[in-house]
Amino acid sequence: NAGVTQTPKFQVLKTGQSMTLQCAQDMNHNSMYWYRQDPGMGLRLIYYSASEGTTDKGEVPNGYNVSRLNKREFSLRLESAAPSQTSVYFCASIKEGSGGETQYFGPGTRLLVL
Amino acid sequence: GNSVTQMEGPVTLSEEAFLTINCTYTATGYPSLFWYVQYPGEGLQLLLKATKADDKGSNKGFEATYRKETTSFHLEKGSVQVSDSAVYFCALKSSANAGKSTFGDGTTLTVKP
Repeated sequence: NAGVTQTPKFQVLKTGQSMTLQCAQDMNHNSMYWYRQDPGMGLRLIYYSASEGTTDKGEVPNGYNVSRLNKREFSLRLESAAPSQTSVYFCASIKEGSGGETQYFGPGTRLLVL
Repeated sequence: GNSVTQMEGPVTLSEEAFLTINCTYTATGYPSLFWYVQYPGEGLQLLLKATKADDKGSNKGFEATYRKETTSFHLEKGSVQVSDSAVYFCALKSSANAGKSTFGDGTTLTVKP
């Protein structure tokens, strides 16, 4: 049971390049989220997916697209990277229950855009 | 809208000292409240949570009580260890905000031997 996995761990891009960040969970959760974390700030929600086949914008969606390929996988795509997208990206999978929700986070992808 | 305000850091304590990290919130409805911990180079992990007023969440010696009257959820630990050094995030989730979570900016704790 690996929990939430993310690839790659690190990436350096040049302005204008594209890339896809991968996230997978093996806990059979319906909801998955993508966040970005910037120095001295909390997490900001980019996109979320409440169930397979659905995606919705979060707080900071501009410059990103997502795809919920199946229940396990939720990818984040940067079509044309900008220096402002330098950040640490976290994927989370959400367990809903009678005791409220629990978010399980991946280890993060550190992205530098030059 | 919803917001979470955390005590500014960094916080530096000696081992076995008492820890308090303040957290206050603004939210519509009746949110659930959470504390997450992030160790260096890792993702966030749920530390504890409380889902209604006067509930106390506890885990690994940490405690926080959901105080509706003061809209607070302060994190406490009676005796910190070096291994508690991490960044701590307060967060809330309100059904009035489509279930999205709101996080504080994080408080960095360093515990010295």
